[in-house]
Amino acid sequence: NAGVTQTPKFRILKIGQSMTLQCTQDMNHNYMYWYRQDPGMGLKLIYYSVGAGITDKGEVPNGYNVSRSTTEDFPLRLELAAPSQTSVYFCASSKTTGVTTGELFFGEGSRLTVL
Amino acid sequence: TQLLEQSPQFLSIQEGENLTVYCNSSSVFSSLQWYRQEPGEGPVLLVTVVTGGEVKKLKRLTFQFGDARKDSSLHITAAQPGDTGLYLCALNTNAGKSTFGDGTTLTVKP
Repeated sequence: NAGVTQTPKFRILKIGQSMTLQCTQDMNHNYMYWYRQDPGMGLKLIYYSVGAGITDKGEVPNGYNVSRSTTEDFPLRLELAAPSQTSVYFCASSKTTGVTTGELFFGEGSRLTVL
Repeated sequence: TQLLEQSPQFLSIQEGENLTVYCNSSSVFSSLQWYRQEPGEGPVLLVTVVTGGEVKKLKRLTFQFGDARKDSSLHITAAQPGDTGLYLCALNTNAGKSTFGDGTTLTVKP
């Protein structure tokens, strides 16, 4: 199993451009997450999904959109990129049932710079 | 609103010393996880605690979940340089939402 795969690993955008960060997992996990991490800080939840066709906002959703058309894929869309979106983005997935959250498995991260 | 607070933010100690880091929440949570992150990599799970008052040990690491399920601590005995990293706690809700604290950056000097 490849686990959680994110692409691209690095990207430089100009202000106002748009792009999509891709995330796919092959573990048949029901929950998927997108986080951003600024230097020396923790992870801020952008969006999450509890299953195909269901998405919900996290702590910092403004400027981003997501979709979950399949169990495996959870792309993150940035519209009109701004310098404040310069960050490292992590996708994660978990097999969560009941009230106990399963282990979150993370991708290697995507480093985005907006100039 | 900061749901999770971790302290201290930074900790630098000598090899062999003991340390404790803390994770506190204003809300009761269904479960809490501790992760460790090394530079350039994603976080990796250390432990999940579910029951109030629960204590779990992982070699030199001891994790404790508060009785009221609003706080947790991580104690490391005889720290080693390999323990260096960012330690993150994550609060989990019944809806499956996982929220992370800002972490404690630990440096263990040889």
